[in-house]
Amino acid sequence: AQSVTQLDSHVSVSEGTPVLLRCNYSSSYSPSLFWYVQHPNKGLQLLLKYTSAATLVKGINGFEAEFKKSETSFHLTKPSAHMSDAAEYFCVVSDLNNFNKFYFGSGTKLNVKP
Amino acid sequence: DSGVTQTPKHLITATGQRVTLRCSPRSGDLSVYWYQQSLDQGLQFLIQYYNGEERAKGNILERFSAQQFPDLHSELNLSSLELGDSALYFCASSVVGRPEETQYFGPGTRLLVL
Repeated sequence: AQSVTQLDSHVSVSEGTPVLLRCNYSSSYSPSLFWYVQHPNKGLQLLLKYTSAATLVKGINGFEAEFKKSETSFHLTKPSAHMSDAAEYFCVVSDLNNFNKFYFGSGTKLNVKP
Repeated sequence: DSGVTQTPKHLITATGQRVTLRCSPRSGDLSVYWYQQSLDQGLQFLIQYYNGEERAKGNILERFSAQQFPDLHSELNLSSLELGDSALYFCASSVVGRPEETQYFGPGTRLLVL
């Protein structure tokens, strides 16, 4: 069975400092992994995705994530936070072996301090 | 703007009632997904349609049903509403509904059951 664990419900960083949002997954097959961002009162927007190509994935707005199979992790990073990055971030796993079901993590709220 | 539209934006109704939420996918997308986002349950996948046919089912209650019409728009019907059904309901679309595809999310319908 699939599951996604986002290890931190809230992360607070200062503007200009690095961001690390952690995600661990369990999957019985080769997963596809995504990070989505949700700004207040908005829908979700894709940041990046991993689909069995390069393990280091670059996304929009300077975010990237590394797929580490040995650690079953897909952590999201950004070298320098901007105020506009304040939002909720969701890690998502899906796999072909489980009838296309999609599993969202519980979300991490990122707060960026000036 | 993702290209996915949802109506209505807000809905207030009473327990026991029935409502219909509507979603129009991005132009060219054949697959539609429905999600429920609530404070206690987080984001949950409800159901997926592809070209009019149900493809995958998640945590959708028996009181809820959905369909996708020949013009590819979709409706989510919620009946015998309970207070706990109050949530944000998102629709998403993708090209052919494969698990590695990006899903494009609509702005959501906020349902309040009183």
